[in-house]
Amino acid sequence: QAGLTQPPSVSTGLRQTATITCTWNNNNVGSQGVAWLQQLQGHPPKLLSYRNNNRPSGISERVSASRSGNTASLTITGLQPEDEADYYCSAWDDSLSAWVFGGGTKLTVL
Amino acid sequence: EVQLVESGGGLVQPGGSLRLSCAASGFTFSTSWMHWVRQAPGKGLVWVAYIKSDGSGTIYADSVKGRFTISRDNAKNTLFLQMNSLRVEDTAVYYCVREFNAFDIWGQGTMVTVSS
Repeated sequence: QAGLTQPPSVSTGLRQTATITCTWNNNNVGSQGVAWLQQLQGHPPKLLSYRNNNRPSGISERVSASRSGNTASLTITGLQPEDEADYYCSAWDDSLSAWVFGGGTKLTVL
Repeated sequence: EVQLVESGGGLVQPGGSLRLSCAASGFTFSTSWMHWVRQAPGKGLVWVAYIKSDGSGTIYADSVKGRFTISRDNAKNTLFLQMNSLRVEDTAVYYCVREFNAFDIWGQGTMVTVSS
């Protein structure tokens, strides 16, 4: 089964911690690591993390990512209203010779 | 300022063609691997195609293979996507994206609508 699986939605309270998961069954996925992107409504995506757990310059320290086997996770602490967005994981699939994206997770800050 | 600016989108009938362009600035385009990623209205991101920095290698998603062609002009810092035999399901915003430690620079996107 190709592709990355994410929960369609996650809801967490203001100033709380949200965790979004990304899983896959194909062992040919992720040889170049997993990346996470944030997409605010009406905007292009923005890179939050790359190669499993690296944060680009300018990304808040409230954002962290990790990976264990065939599961990657994005964690955002101290949630703020501006964190409401769609979040996508992505990875290279060696068997497809293609980049794949998760279906996206809509994060709601209550 | 690092920037990618797409153009060339529009309304086209099924079976028609469009050529998208992406003008790059603020970084060394000629050494950058580049991609096209699309997003249908209200849907998620879908990778379309990629081209190596010198244009020597390309890879396509199965859904566009044989219909779309990615190319580049490093002298003009421009990326292209030639789209032929367009289908209704190709309707989407098309983003030009740089790959450097994953997809780190995105354009604003250009809308392609395939409809009769």
